[in-house]
Amino acid sequence: NAGVMQNPRHLVRRRGQEARLRCSPMKGHSHVYWYRQLPEEGLKFMVYLQKENIIDESGMPKERFSAEFPKEGPSILRIQQVVRGDSAAYFCASSPRRGNQPQHFGDGTRLSIL
Amino acid sequence: KNQVEQSPQSLIILEGKNCTLQCNYTVSPFSNLRWYKQDTGRGPVSLTIMTFSENTKSNGRYTATLDADTKQSSLHITASQLSDSASYICVVNVDNAGKSTFGDGTTLTVKP
Repeated sequence: NAGVMQNPRHLVRRRGQEARLRCSPMKGHSHVYWYRQLPEEGLKFMVYLQKENIIDESGMPKERFSAEFPKEGPSILRIQQVVRGDSAAYFCASSPRRGNQPQHFGDGTRLSIL
Repeated sequence: KNQVEQSPQSLIILEGKNCTLQCNYTVSPFSNLRWYKQDTGRGPVSLTIMTFSENTKSNGRYTATLDADTKQSSLHITASQLSDSASYICVVNVDNAGKSTFGDGTTLTVKP
């Protein structure tokens, strides 16, 4: 039973390019959460999605960032026109439902902006 | 200001010794509190989860306590092992909304 799968594990982009990060939740999980972890800092909530719906995007920067979780396929976090400050580890977690269920995390995508 | 404060920021102990990590929170309304272990280069792994009515929960050598009145939690590690070296993160959930507030973590180093 595979856990939360994120790819790529490492992504290098030049300033101004687009970054697409993918997250496949655990089997049977319909809730996906994205977090960002800057170097030497804790994880910060970005967005919470259920299949085909954005439930809470209060942690997402207003510009250049978007997320989707289509009916079929992985969840995608998209960053347009990347800047150096976007360099971070981006983690995805999934849960079968809201509430007390422990969130299962992937091992993250480390994004480096040149 | 972060609503989940963890202390100490870092800790070094000798193998076999016990240690206690602290978490104070101001997040409200409270739904549940989780402790995670994050190894370098990996995603966090859940150790314990406690709701408002639970005072203590154990997972092997890890024991978490919760005082909802003082809004404090602790994670006690018994008989530490080298593999316990990691960042330990306290996470508070608000009202079953799925949105979590993370502490900045305590970095634990266990030395032989």
